[in-house]
This record gives sequence, structure tokens and C-alpha cells, in this order.
Amino acid sequence: KAGVTQTPRYLIKTRGQQVTLSCSPISGHRSVSWYQQTPGQGLQFLFEYFSETQRNKGNFPGRFSGRQFSNSRSEMNVSTLELGDSALYLCASQFGGGADTQYFGPGTRLTVL
Amino acid sequence: TQLLEQSPQFLSIQEGENLTVYCNSSSVFSSLQWYRQEPGEGPVLLVTVVTGGEVKKLKRLTFQFGDARKDSSLHITAAQTGDTGLYLCAGAGSGGSNYKLTFGKGTLLTVNP
Repeated sequence: KAGVTQTPRYLIKTRGQQVTLSCSPISGHRSVSWYQQTPGQGLQFLFEYFSETQRNKGNFPGRFSGRQFSNSRSEMNVSTLELGDSALYLCASQFGGGADTQYFGPGTRLTVL
Repeated sequence: TQLLEQSPQFLSIQEGENLTVYCNSSSVFSSLQWYRQEPGEGPVLLVTVVTGGEVKKLKRLTFQFGDARKDSSLHITAAQTGDTGLYLCAGAGSGGSNYKLTFGKGTLLTVNP
């Protein structure tokens, strides 16, 4: 089976712009979770989608949003980018969610200038 | 808010040495996972421990879950250069928060030849 793929791998934006990141889970997996990883805060949970519905949400401002499509692919969007949004954004795929093993993609490295 | 503290934050050792890294919290977790992340990649699950006092071995790696399910340790025997990476622990909450993993900030291990 192919692993979790994320596109693009690298992205440079300027403050105030918006960005959309994409994640394709492992075939057959219905849950996708998104995380932000920074050196100072580590890995922080953004949200989880299961069968096109947001099932859980972390403590991030409303500028961070996501969605999941019927084929389980997911996108996350960050509007009005701030310098502090520079991070590695990881998505993780699970078969059903909960205690199922999470398989992480390689991440998208976002740099905000 | 459930927090996981990992120590040490950085560890640099010579090949062949033994080491232990720790993951501590004031909260009880239903399970605890250990991941290793290499540069440019997402975290990869090493092990999940569920029962208080549980010990699991994965070749030269030994994982232990505290009796009270609040802490865990990872011991590596005879470290090799291939063990270099960021070691992350992640706790799964109980009940309604079970779908969200809380990650520690990680221990960055460098094994020198």
C-alpha cells in the first residue's frame, strides 16, 4: 500500500496570504488528523476528520480550517498567515480513528516571510 | 490540559553506549505511544503501551509504562548511529478525549560513530 502523501512538501508565503495543504491518506483509511510541529511547541493537534466530518478539534484560532472529501483526502487551510504559522504541518491517517495506529505523512514545511 | 514532559531535551552519545529517555505527566493516560522521527520525515510509531507496569521490548529498545499510567521510559542498549532521531511520546486520553493524542516535545538523540 502507498503511504500517506502530502503536497506540497515545501511552501513559502508572505504574511497576510492564505495557504491550502493537501493530504492523501492510506487507501481504506477514513480518518485524517492534522498536526502543527514547531521547535518551541512540539507537535500540536489541529483537528481530525472522519467520513467528511470534523470529529475533534485542537486549540487553534479560526484561521485554521480543514475539510475532508468523500475519497478521504483532506485539505487544511490557513488564512491571513502570520510569521508564527511557520511550521511543519503533518497529517496522519488512521483506519477508524481512536486507538488505531496513526501513520504520518512526511509533512509540508511552511515558511511565512 | 494534559501535558507530557520529555527529558532530556537533547542527548548526544557515542555508539555502543546505553541511554534512557523519560516521558512524564501529571495526568493519567489510557495508553502511551513512542514514535521516532527522522529529518524530513513524519513520526513513525515504535510501540504502544496500555497496561500500567507494562514492559515491551523491540530489539535493543525497552519501553516501560509506569504503574499509575502517568509516565513512561525508553531505554536503548548499545546505541547505534541508526538510532539517531527525535523520539516522541504521545498519550491518549480516556473517555471523550480519546481521539486526540497529546505529544511531548521530544528528545533529540544523536549517536556518534
